[in-house]
Amino acid sequence: DTGVSQDPRHKITKRGQNVTFRCDPISEHNRLYWYRQTLGQGPEFLTYFQNEAQLEKSRLLSDRFSAERPKGSFSTLEIQRTEQGDSAMYLCASILLVNTEAFFGQGTRLTVV
Amino acid sequence: DQQVKQNSPSLSVQEGRISILNCDYTNSMFDYFLWYKKYPAEGPTFLISISSIKDKNEDGRFTVFLNKSAKHLSLHIVPSQPGDSAVYFCAARPNFGNEKLTFGTGTRLTIIP
Repeated sequence: DTGVSQDPRHKITKRGQNVTFRCDPISEHNRLYWYRQTLGQGPEFLTYFQNEAQLEKSRLLSDRFSAERPKGSFSTLEIQRTEQGDSAMYLCASILLVNTEAFFGQGTRLTVV
Repeated sequence: DQQVKQNSPSLSVQEGRISILNCDYTNSMFDYFLWYKKYPAEGPTFLISISSIKDKNEDGRFTVFLNKSAKHLSLHIVPSQPGDSAVYFCAARPNFGNEKLTFGTGTRLTIIP
């Protein structure tokens, strides 16, 4: 499978715990995006990387959230001190060139209890 | 503010008939538009796109129409098939910078056999 891969697919955690998600983009894609989708809404932009550089962060990304893309390959999204409002589907997408469509992974569904 | 709007949360269409999904946008800087299809517990799958220099793009059973003056686009599916039942998201982006997508809230399409 050469698509965008996300791990884990599902995560249930207790409030206050830290969680980390991983995204492996399509190998030749140099741009990687994180989005979040809550029930009844479309995906909302969180942050993106051009190779290893994080170029933009949404206001949705509070200081409890941190994302990395070491060596411009896979990316991780960490949420510290999770809150119930963090429960959502976290989606990763990658793009090869400008003006082409973004390819999405299957997402990580986070449930904070 | 919702810059991309899909005002119909749901739509039911008889198998074999035409499905028409609508999308409106407010940001005049958007000039590239995409439709994604999403099944439950999966990431969005790219369907079709259109640049603002065109008013129509066709791919098999799927056609997207763009009316720039009205800031409106629509997705036509004909003939509709049971496998088309899914949530459809309209997305838009400006033709500069980060290519991040702004999504609508989605329309759930149900094809009735």
